[in-house]
Amino acid sequence: DAKTTQPPSMDCAEGRAANLPCNHSTISGNEYVYWYRQIHSQGPQYIIHGLKNNETNEMASLIITEDRKSSTLILPHATLRDTAVYYCIVRVAGSGGSNYKLTFGKGTLLTVNP
Amino acid sequence: DAGVIQSPRHEVTEMGQEVTLRCKPISGHNSLFWYRQTMMRGLELLIYFNNNVPIDDSGMPEDRFSAKMPNASFSTLKIQPSEPRDSAVYFCASSSSPGTGEQYFGPGTRLTVT
Repeated sequence: DAKTTQPPSMDCAEGRAANLPCNHSTISGNEYVYWYRQIHSQGPQYIIHGLKNNETNEMASLIITEDRKSSTLILPHATLRDTAVYYCIVRVAGSGGSNYKLTFGKGTLLTVNP
Repeated sequence: DAGVIQSPRHEVTEMGQEVTLRCKPISGHNSLFWYRQTMMRGLELLIYFNNNVPIDDSGMPEDRFSAKMPNASFSTLKIQPSEPRDSAVYFCASSSSPGTGEQYFGPGTRLTVT
């Protein structure tokens, strides 16, 4: 799987949009971008994933650049409960080979301030 | 629906004792994962089951660790004998399909070996 690079920490004011960047310059054409987060003392939580089109769900939006070398996770109106470590992961979709693996890096600690 | 259930939530034991961690995956999910999280090594995949069959146990640290999945609704991770370096948070996750990349994590078991 391609490797990802994320800033170690970011701050965001409550109510503002949080934009979390991720670089994945070696991503392959069949690799998806996944985002998970881990709130303190809880298990990781799936947020969203995408291949090349922008995606949106009830939690967040995922913007992937046209060359797919980077992406941004957007939390439109951050709350204090969004304070967590956010992980950007790239992996091949499909169940063949070792495609079941999720490789978690160090992620970005997002702190939402009141 | 209930999420992934793990027990116990906290376990404190003495070095040399046997430890058994338990996991109940989400009903209908056919893939189950055991992870370990430490400050030093982050989140690591220990073993992966698909349809109750162990597919990849390459992440299991050593022979002291064993995992079973006797049926679709129950899995155990056993450490015998336990050592202080096994202290970590152990997470169980399940998925409806290993290829989706969407894994649902339990709350974890915090293990302390003294």
